[in-house]
Amino acid sequence: NAGVTQTPKFQVLKTGQSMTLQCAQDMNHEYMSWYRQDPGMGLRLIHYSVGAGITDQGEVPNGYNVSRSTTEDFPLRLLSAAPSQTSVYFCAIRRLSGANVLTFGAGSRLTVL
Amino acid sequence: KNEVEQSPQNLTAQEGEFITINCSYSVGISALHWLQQHPGGGIVSLFMLSSGKKKHGRLIATINIQEKHSSLHITASHPRDSAVYICAVRLKGIGTASKLTFGTGTRLQVTL
Repeated sequence: NAGVTQTPKFQVLKTGQSMTLQCAQDMNHEYMSWYRQDPGMGLRLIHYSVGAGITDQGEVPNGYNVSRSTTEDFPLRLLSAAPSQTSVYFCAIRRLSGANVLTFGAGSRLTVL
Repeated sequence: KNEVEQSPQNLTAQEGEFITINCSYSVGISALHWLQQHPGGGIVSLFMLSSGKKKHGRLIATINIQEKHSSLHITASHPRDSAVYICAVRLKGIGTASKLTFGTGTRLQVTL
């Protein structure tokens, strides 16, 4: 039972390259989300999903794309990486009802040169 | 002004001390989370509360909805408690209930 698995842990990109951060869960939680964490700022929501086929924008969605074709997976795509997207990215999941405590992935550190 | 403010930003304590970290927010909320982020970067959920008080081991979280304030207390602190503690609130209202707003965290260091 891995909980939330994020890959890769580290990635270095050149400006303009594209890549996908993977998030997979085995807890059957409806809600999945992506956050970025930058020094001196709180975690900021990029995109989220409340179920397969349903996604919505968060606070800072520009430059990122998501899809949710299954309950388990919620990939985050950087279409054309920019230095401003250098950050640590976290996937987080929770149930929509009941004890909806957040469970985080281990994080992915992305550097865009 | 951020919707979620934490204080202090940094805190150094000696082992055994009683620690309090504060979180104030300016909007109506349906729940408040306390999270812990260790130096390695992983984030763990400590508490979710919407009223009153919760306790887990040496950690106690309280919330006062009327005053829009929550506190996280650590009793008998230990060096392994050294981490960043993050407060997050879930806003009230249709369309916002899925989103959390985070504070910038309180960095705690507990020394021997």
